[in-house]
Amino acid sequence: QVTLKESGPVLVKPTETLTLTCTVSGFSLSYARVGVSWIRQPPGKALEWLAHSFSNDEKVYSTSLKSRLTISKDTSRSQVLLTMTNMDPVDTATYFCARLYCDSVSCFPFDYWGPGILVTVSS
Amino acid sequence: DIVMTQTPLSLSVTPGQPASISCKSSQSLLHSNGKTFLYWYLQKSGQSPQLLIYEVSSRFSGVPDRFSGSGSGTDFTLKISRVEAEDVGVYYCMQGIYLHTFGQGTKLEIK
Repeated sequence: QVTLKESGPVLVKPTETLTLTCTVSGFSLSYARVGVSWIRQPPGKALEWLAHSFSNDEKVYSTSLKSRLTISKDTSRSQVLLTMTNMDPVDTATYFCARLYCDSVSCFPFDYWGPGILVTVSS
Repeated sequence: DIVMTQTPLSLSVTPGQPASISCKSSQSLLHSNGKTFLYWYLQKSGQSPQLLIYEVSSRFSGVPDRFSGSGSGTDFTLKISRVEAEDVGVYYCMQGIYLHTFGQGTKLEIK
């Protein structure tokens, strides 16, 4: 059974660095056709894709947030981490991690999602 | 960056009636491999999004056949042939040809 779960602080102060962890089960982060993305959603607003970690350790980032984001993974712990620097109240959002899976024919971005973690940025 | 624009932003439908959502991308989503990387998701209240449609028109596992996707290039449509109460939520289109970008979302409610 595939599951993903986000963890980390629920409250951070402006200018601080946020580090979130996505712990996965039911699949390995070393599978050739699997990757994990981070996606966020401010309260009442739309989804925003942030970053993706591929199985070959390649990483890609949102162009607008690239300077503030770092995605990494610990395959042995089945974890994908997201670091976002210089947090601001506008970064208040639910942060999701989601799996991208490809079979021999197609890719299925975000076929499984974690429940999300609401992070509030406030002094 | 590719911009995804959905219309309408909200929709109120009588159960049993059809519904249609449009999604337009600022650039073609047709890849040189012949695939078009356009996806549809539904986010029900208080839940994580769920994948409905991949590559424009293919229903993901377990998705009822009342959901269908169509389109090409930059213009796409999600149709629900007969809306049911369980279809309420916010629908998002997403492009996957260059990084990922979601549309603004379309809120579907029942009349």
